[in-house]
Amino acid sequence: SYVLTQAPSVSVAPGKTARITCGGNNIGSKSVHWYQQKPGQAPVLVIYYDGDRPSGIPERFSGSNSGNTATLTISRVEAGDEADYYCQVWDNSSDHVVFGGGTKLSV
Amino acid sequence: QVQLVQSGAEVKKPGASVKVSCKASGYSFTSFAIDWVRQAPGQGLEWMGWIHAGTGDTKFSQKFQGRVTITRDTSASTAYMELRSLRYEDTAVYYCARDAPGDLDYWGQGTLVTVSS
Repeated sequence: SYVLTQAPSVSVAPGKTARITCGGNNIGSKSVHWYQQKPGQAPVLVIYYDGDRPSGIPERFSGSNSGNTATLTISRVEAGDEADYYCQVWDNSSDHVVFGGGTKLSV
Repeated sequence: QVQLVQSGAEVKKPGASVKVSCKASGYSFTSFAIDWVRQAPGQGLEWMGWIHAGTGDTKFSQKFQGRVTITRDTSASTAYMELRSLRYEDTAVYYCARDAPGDLDYWGQGTLVTVSS
């Protein structure tokens, strides 16, 4: 089955840029979605179809996807961005939703 | 506005079954699928399965095949997830989410299921 690999943690200073990666075999051929989850809350979609932002998500959040790596980029990081971030794809071969293991962003 | 409201917390004994509901509002229920995702304490998100609310078609993670049933009641705009033969390791928060499709754009508030003797 398809596997998505994320680093367990990323640390960034306020005002800087955070890059959270999601690795998978030829992930660039798939559509990648990203979720933010704060403690005790349900996940929130922050990026869909590689780089689109739902309404209400700040422009500071952006995404890209190529080759074997998809990247969620958060510019001008704020304390409120501290959360777990998960990438997700639909695996056509197994007809399964697949999540990455999640990355804890510390600010 | 789109809302998914789930049923309340449950405590079950090992071997029992649990059925969690997810009531949708604010959109055409039968035009979308509903996915079920769980999260064990301190762990990541785990996809369980999916039902298209219009057709009733279902797909399940191989991990839960044979132990999970996902159904829907279109008259009540509600989806259900039943997990049988509960084990201690099934203790988790269970979420429903609308499948946009592809991305999960709206999520329920989560239902804590605790398996304890």
